[in-house]
Amino acid sequence: GQQLNQSPQSMFIQEGEDVSMNCTSSSIFNTWLWYKQEPGEGPVLLIALYKAGELTSNGRLTAQFGITRKDSFLNISASIPSDVGIYFCAGLTIAYGGSQGNLIFGKGTKLSVKP
Amino acid sequence: NAGVTQTPKFQVLKTGQSMTLQCAQDMNHNSMYWYRQDPGMGLRLIYYSASEGTTDKGEVPNGYNVSRLNKREFSLRLESAAPSQTSVYFCAGRRGVGEQFFGPGTRLTVL
Repeated sequence: GQQLNQSPQSMFIQEGEDVSMNCTSSSIFNTWLWYKQEPGEGPVLLIALYKAGELTSNGRLTAQFGITRKDSFLNISASIPSDVGIYFCAGLTIAYGGSQGNLIFGKGTKLSVKP
Repeated sequence: NAGVTQTPKFQVLKTGQSMTLQCAQDMNHNSMYWYRQDPGMGLRLIYYSASEGTTDKGEVPNGYNVSRLNKREFSLRLESAAPSQTSVYFCAGRRGVGEQFFGPGTRLTVL
């Protein structure tokens, strides 16, 4: 089946540093989504990408839809302690004649920020 | 506007017991989903409902059943719980092309 390879698995950074993480796949996706999950909570949507090459920002977060449609990147600038959490990428694949899309999730990048 | 709500928040079952996890959304989503999340595994789709009255299997449906009671509610049932079903369960609703919005989760332990 389709799989997303998300890296790195974990990151330990100093407050103020920039962060980069990515997702790659051997399959092509129509949409890429990035979520953040804090302990004891459900994932929260951060950014949605719909076109190959698209670059979208949400505050200090910037995500890109790779031009091959097989990868996506998330950058966080000037990290702060509240950025701590697990970041998931998700790719949308169309099944069943295009009438229903199902998300495939990466395994997450756990971010720790040292004040 | 509560978004996606799930009950209960925590549950402990003995092997063989049954239970139903409840999910409701007030965002007028047509599509709803049930996922399980296990350490190091990300989120895996159990079942989904593209619209009221329809349900389909996802990646890991064995041992589960679902009911789309109406547009707002989508329940997940474990008929005979097994320790392998110990997990965190998330319900989600979908808006637009693919954006899914998640509930707070149900943490289930099967002894």
